[in-house]
Amino acid sequence: GQNIDQPTEMTATEGAIVQINCTYQTSGFNGLFWYQQHAGEAPTFLSYNVLDGLEEKGRFSSFLSRSKGYSYLLLKELQMKDSASYLCAVGDSNYQLIWGAGTKLIIKP
Amino acid sequence: DTAVSQTPKYLVTQMGNDKSIKCEQNLGHDTMYWYKQDSKKFLKIMFSYNNKELIINETVPNRFSPKSPDKAHLNLHINSLELGDSAVYFCASSIVDEVYNEQFFGPGTRLTVL
Repeated sequence: GQNIDQPTEMTATEGAIVQINCTYQTSGFNGLFWYQQHAGEAPTFLSYNVLDGLEEKGRFSSFLSRSKGYSYLLLKELQMKDSASYLCAVGDSNYQLIWGAGTKLIIKP
Repeated sequence: DTAVSQTPKYLVTQMGNDKSIKCEQNLGHDTMYWYKQDSKKFLKIMFSYNNKELIINETVPNRFSPKSPDKAHLNLHINSLELGDSAVYFCASSIVDEVYNEQFFGPGTRLTVL
């Protein structure tokens, strides 16, 4: 079957760095997405990886290793507004997105 | 200039009723989706639809049916509502002809069944 695993919850301190991991097993691979979802709001796109390596976008970076079925989202200089759920999603061979359950990130002052 | 819009934002109804949620996108995308997000925050795909095919998640009860009057709209009809249908329903759209399948989400409809 198809499976996306990510931690349920993480806690970090304002100003620090946090890494959210995602491992996947899917039928085919057409890219990996990270989305951010604040409580009561819709998911919004953060990053996309289709080749191995690191993609950097401001305070956020995302890494992919296709051979290991592994990705992480790195958030630097954490701000209180980064408190949200972070969803990992993988495009399968039918171009459907398979979603992880999300990681709730709690930022403490 | 909202990209993906849904109505209503909140829907409270009694068990056994039939209700609809509307979704519209002005992005020119060819594929639209309905997701259910329950209290555990897991985002579950219900349907994906373009003008070529409807893909249904086999775990979705047949009380749920998508209706697409045109490429920019995908409405969700729910018959005989049950308590377990209470959740937030998200509509989304994307261009699926390319490998890059970023999905754009509507604001969600919070359905409460009493």
